[in-house]
Amino acid sequence: GAGVSQSPRYKVAKRGQDVALRCDPISGHVSLFWYQQALGQGPEFLTYFQNEAQLDKSGLPSDRFFAERPEGSVSTLKIQRTQQEDSAVYLCASSQGGGFYGYTFGSGTRLTVV
Amino acid sequence: SQQGEEDPQALSIQEGENATMNCSYKTSINNLQWYRQNSGRGLVHLILIRSNEREKHSGRLRVTLDTSKKSSSLLITASRAADTASYFCATGRNTGTASKLTFGTGTRLQVTL
Repeated sequence: GAGVSQSPRYKVAKRGQDVALRCDPISGHVSLFWYQQALGQGPEFLTYFQNEAQLDKSGLPSDRFFAERPEGSVSTLKIQRTQQEDSAVYLCASSQGGGFYGYTFGSGTRLTVV
Repeated sequence: SQQGEEDPQALSIQEGENATMNCSYKTSINNLQWYRQNSGRGLVHLILIRSNEREKHSGRLRVTLDTSKKSSSLLITASRAADTASYFCATGRNTGTASKLTFGTGTRLQVTL
């Protein structure tokens, strides 16, 4: 596609519910990154994929967070048993290489846990 | 955790004036990037400067980097109302397969007519 597409655009979840956030990167981009942006803050790194391999998941805040990219294109970020502190915008970015020339970001998914 | 801090946190100027934003960071970097974020939208890549570069230009944007002071500045000349957005610096550290970004706290720029 022309850009990085994320869905849903908005998600409201009840505390304890599981959610799945989808990222469709630019076609041919081998690198995919997930970031979490709390209100009024800069984005914080969650995890990184090169093709289907998850090479860095050091930013995932707990074992309730899980990401996958099984075929090296679309990626899903799953949050189990959501808590209020998970409320944030989740941003996906892709790049042709490893982001050495910059990333292309999607518009994000705003998750609100009530 | 945030790598750097940006200064000022908020900036309000009139159309036609120049806007300068500063970014400080703590650890060694391979590159530094600036992004713009309009309210409720994703980030747009503006410019990247490598650690061995001191200054870079792109249109109305000018970025400087001082690795000895661990700081960078973004200058937007002849600002327009459409430049109203939040601006983030992000330091890139190469991990072998990727340039991993750590973002600052952002500067909110308001350009009024």
